[in-house]
Amino acid sequence: NAGVTQTPKFQVLKTGQSMTLQCAQDMNHEYMSWYRQDPGMGLRLIHYSVGAGITDQGEVPNGYNVSRSTTEDFPLRLLSAAPSQTSVYFCASSRGSPRDARANEQFFGPGTRLTVL
Amino acid sequence: AQSVTQLGSHVSVSEGALVLLRCNYSSSVPPYLFWYVQYPNQGLQLLLKYTTGATLVKGINGFEAEFKKSETSFHLTKPSAHMSDAAEYFCAVSDPRLNSGYSTLTFGKGTMLLVSP
Repeated sequence: NAGVTQTPKFQVLKTGQSMTLQCAQDMNHEYMSWYRQDPGMGLRLIHYSVGAGITDQGEVPNGYNVSRSTTEDFPLRLLSAAPSQTSVYFCASSRGSPRDARANEQFFGPGTRLTVL
Repeated sequence: AQSVTQLGSHVSVSEGALVLLRCNYSSSVPPYLFWYVQYPNQGLQLLLKYTTGATLVKGINGFEAEFKKSETSFHLTKPSAHMSDAAEYFCAVSDPRLNSGYSTLTFGKGTMLLVSP
């Protein structure tokens, strides 16, 4: 298994440009999330999905859109990039558990380092 | 709402010395707690987790953590540091999403462990 994969690894954008960060997992996990990591801030949740067709907002959703058309893929879209979106973005997935989803490990991708000029 | 506080953004130890990374949490429900490690330019990897049962939890690479409810703490320890332990460590608490049955993670800001020869 490849686990969680993310593309691209690095990206530089100009203010106002749009782009999509790709995330895919081959573990048949129901749950997927996007986090951003900024120095001294830890990881903050942007959006998450509990299954195909179902998404919801996390702690810092403004400026980002997501969709989940398949179990495997969970792309993150920046419609009009801003310098404040310069960050490292991580995608994560975990299996569902009717009994206790809280205990499930989240598996992280290698990250996408985004710079917005 | 859940929150996590990690004391010390940087901790320096000598090789062979005890490693102690501190984590305190706040949770409105019985907490599920996690420690993740991030090596340079990589994603996050689970070290260990506490859900229920034994309060002393052993993880990978010789790390362990003890859940202390009375102190709302989940400190990470390792008896003898190795150079390869140099990384950033994140404590996280599971954050239940009541309407979805799904759980996300609320992270602390991270502690960088520096190991000197």
